[in-house]
Parts: sequence; C-alpha cells; structure tokens
Amino acid sequence: DTEVTQTPKHLVMGMTNKKSLKCEQHMGHRAMYWYKQKAKKPPELMFVYSYEKLSINESVPSRFSPECPNSSLLNLHLHALQPEDSALYLCASSQVPGTAYPYGYTFGSGTRLTVV
Amino acid sequence: RKEVEQDPGPFNVPEGATVAFNCTYSNSASQSFFWYRQDCRKEPKLLMSVYSSGNEDGRFTAQLNRASQYISLLIRDSKLSDSATYLCVVNTNAGKSTFGDGTTLTVKP
Repeated sequence: DTEVTQTPKHLVMGMTNKKSLKCEQHMGHRAMYWYKQKAKKPPELMFVYSYEKLSINESVPSRFSPECPNSSLLNLHLHALQPEDSALYLCASSQVPGTAYPYGYTFGSGTRLTVV
Repeated sequence: RKEVEQDPGPFNVPEGATVAFNCTYSNSASQSFFWYRQDCRKEPKLLMSVYSSGNEDGRFTAQLNRASQYISLLIRDSKLSDSATYLCVVNTNAGKSTFGDGTTLTVKP
C-alpha cells in the first residue's frame, strides 16, 4: 500500500459548523503533514507530526486543530472557519521526519473545502 | 526575498524540445531538495530527489549547486504528457519544507 488516503474529497461547511478531515497511510511513515493550497499557489505547510507528536505548527489559527491518534492516522478538526479558509487541504507523509531523502513526500489527493 | 524562488514561466514549448527550470533558495542550512509535478486539480507527485552529484531519470536530469544555492531540472524530448506545473521543494533538517511558486509547462504538438 503506497497511498495516502484522504476523506472526504469535497466538503462544504458553514462558518458555525464543526467538521474533521481525515488522512490515513499504511506505509509505516513516521512523519505526517497538513498543507493548505489555494488556487494557482504552492502548498503551504500547516503542521508537522513527527513520531505522532506535533513538531511544527506554522502559526496556524486555532480554528484548525490537528490530531494524530496513531502512526497511521492524522485528523484536522475545523471549527468556526472563514470563507477565506476555502482551499485544497493536502495530507502528506514521509518515511522519517527531517530531510525526507530520498523518497520525498507522498501526498493524498486532498480535501477540497468550501466555507460558506 | 522569498525562501525559494522559481522561474515564473509559463513555458510553452513544442514537442521534442528541451526545457530547463531553475530554482534558487536562500537558507544555506537547507538539507534536501526535490522536484514535484502537479497536474491541474491534482496533488503534487514526486518527480525526482536532487543530489549534489546530479541525477538522471530517463529524459529528466536534476542538478544541485550548493555553493550558488540553486537547483535545476532539465527535460529533454518533451512530451505532451509533460505539461504540468513543476514545483521545487527545499527542506531544512527540522522537517520544514518550502515550496517554490511553481513553473507551468505547456508542451504543444
């Protein structure tokens, strides 16, 4: 299994809703990541989990709350989002934290989020 | 100055052409370097890791110049299927990655 699976693929939520994005990998990777990508822009790093512990938070607003229940799962809990948070949310994993050589990151296909 | 800067593009080339992209980075502590391709409305996919010794995979050649802090990607004999956005990625040893803005390539028949 060489995939990162993200659910749901599409999500429309109101500004008062609470929702969660899910990410799963069974490649034995010990680093997992959340990225946000706006149209025609590169992915922006949000969070890094290294051995199931949060190691990097790129000053992300608290309305985004990551969780790593185990080495295969990564969640992103969403609450009170704004329309400008609408974007493609990508999960990625890599074999080990740090340099990610030589295999780089494996990305999931993303969740396309629309906040109304 | 951005941490990672790429040729802005777009690059429009005929099939069979050779095209090169460059990417410069500002953090001298950067440890690992990659090229990804991203098709429209899809996720990025790893194209190549980039090493100081240079590396080649078929029609693709990647180079890293640590002294000048840039990486390059050369595509020979372009195919229609090479049309995509190419992203360079630079990582620090702490696991933080920075993506370039991407360069769009369109290969035309």
